[in-house]
Amino acid sequence: QKEVEQDPGPLSVPEGAIVSLNCTYSNSAFQYFMWYRQYSRKGPELLMYTYSSGNKEDGRFTAQVDKSSKYISLFIRDSQPSDSATYLCAMSDLAVDKIIFGKGTRLHILP
Amino acid sequence: DTAVSQTPKYLVTQMGNDKSIKCEQNLGHDTMYWYKQDSKKFLKIMFSYNNKELIINETVPNRFSPKSPDKAHLNLHINSLELGDSAVYFCASSQGLSQGYEQYFGPGTRLTVT
Repeated sequence: QKEVEQDPGPLSVPEGAIVSLNCTYSNSAFQYFMWYRQYSRKGPELLMYTYSSGNKEDGRFTAQVDKSSKYISLFIRDSQPSDSATYLCAMSDLAVDKIIFGKGTRLHILP
Repeated sequence: DTAVSQTPKYLVTQMGNDKSIKCEQNLGHDTMYWYKQDSKKFLKIMFSYNNKELIINETVPNRFSPKSPDKAHLNLHINSLELGDSAVYFCASSQGLSQGYEQYFGPGTRLTVT
């Protein structure tokens, strides 16, 4: 079993829809949970991070972590065409010296 | 003013050649990383350096040799290039090891080995 599993998509949704992106993981030592966004032919950029369990909101983006299920989610409200990108979940243990990335989900927001 | 920059952006070379990729960050960060992103977009760490000291060497072939002349620079030299080395290589930095959850990535170097 891979340490981090993420559906590669592509996921196509109409503009304005709520998008749900998810990852599962197997390593119970993971404490930091991140979502990075990568536009085509660019480097990834950090969207949000969460420490341990719970929810975190930033504008139209909400990150959720359920450590009991080893499941994390990113919700995008009122999706825009500019949200079209690949979204990578990433995780690390307390040492944070090594981040394990998911394979990324390609998201297309249709105008 | 680019935070993390890499040169070159594109590199096309033949098998067996030796090549280098340079990375510079102007964020004042202590920690720098090299990642490889393969054709399936899987991003995997190769090396990390903290204050010019090697912290992680993630079972990378010893044809790959990183060098950090100072905290702001982390270069990657690759000897005897192979077809399987074709990928996009990203440099990244974080404020310190304990802030590794927040990494700033460069634009990538697309390496094609023919």
